[in-house]
Amino acid sequence: GDSVTQMEGPVTLSEEAFLTINCTYTATGYPSLFWYVQYPGEGLQLLLKATKADDKGSNKGFEATYRKETTSFHLEKGSVQVSDSAVYFCALSPLGTSYGKLTFGQGTILTVHP
Amino acid sequence: EAGVAQSPRYKIIEKRQSVAFWCNPISGHATLYWYQQILGQGPKLLIQFQNNGVVDDSQLPKDRFSAERLKGVDSTLKIQPAKLEDSAVYLCASSSFYEQYFGPGTRLTVT
Repeated sequence: GDSVTQMEGPVTLSEEAFLTINCTYTATGYPSLFWYVQYPGEGLQLLLKATKADDKGSNKGFEATYRKETTSFHLEKGSVQVSDSAVYFCALSPLGTSYGKLTFGQGTILTVHP
Repeated sequence: EAGVAQSPRYKIIEKRQSVAFWCNPISGHATLYWYQQILGQGPKLLIQFQNNGVVDDSQLPKDRFSAERLKGVDSTLKIQPAKLEDSAVYLCASSSFYEQYFGPGTRLTVT
């Protein structure tokens, strides 16, 4: 079945450091890929998405590129802020829309210190 | 636009008791999902509705969990009887074509 694997956490960085959170997936066909973020005390929010190979999703300074050849969707940000501290989830949907069920990775806790 | 509403936000029960959670999706969203998020893990889909019909309930433990979506709007998820391993956050989501929107979740503790 479909699965998503995220890098082990937690990740602790200083403000303005570069962030990479690795995500790889296993799926049949051509899934859509997502990054969701969960800030402390809040619900899951969509951060960015990509629906086909070589697409780059971006939002709030975060980027991720859909790499079909390596089945990866790594999350990057050039300069993190304290306000980026949250739990980040990589996810896939087997369909080309958001209607399909989401399969999530285990989540990566990010803590950014001033 | 109002978001996905869930209640209660927190619930503590003893094992073998029953519990019910309520979800009100975003207006106009035909698709509704219930996910279970155990501490330290990503959410796992329990059941997916399209209007008031079930699309996918393959991971719902049907011996103790049940869900309904009457009139294709609000939904309830019930656990009877609860086990210790049911302690988790239960998330409701609804979707448009472009995005799934999540509610704040109900944190269930089974003692």
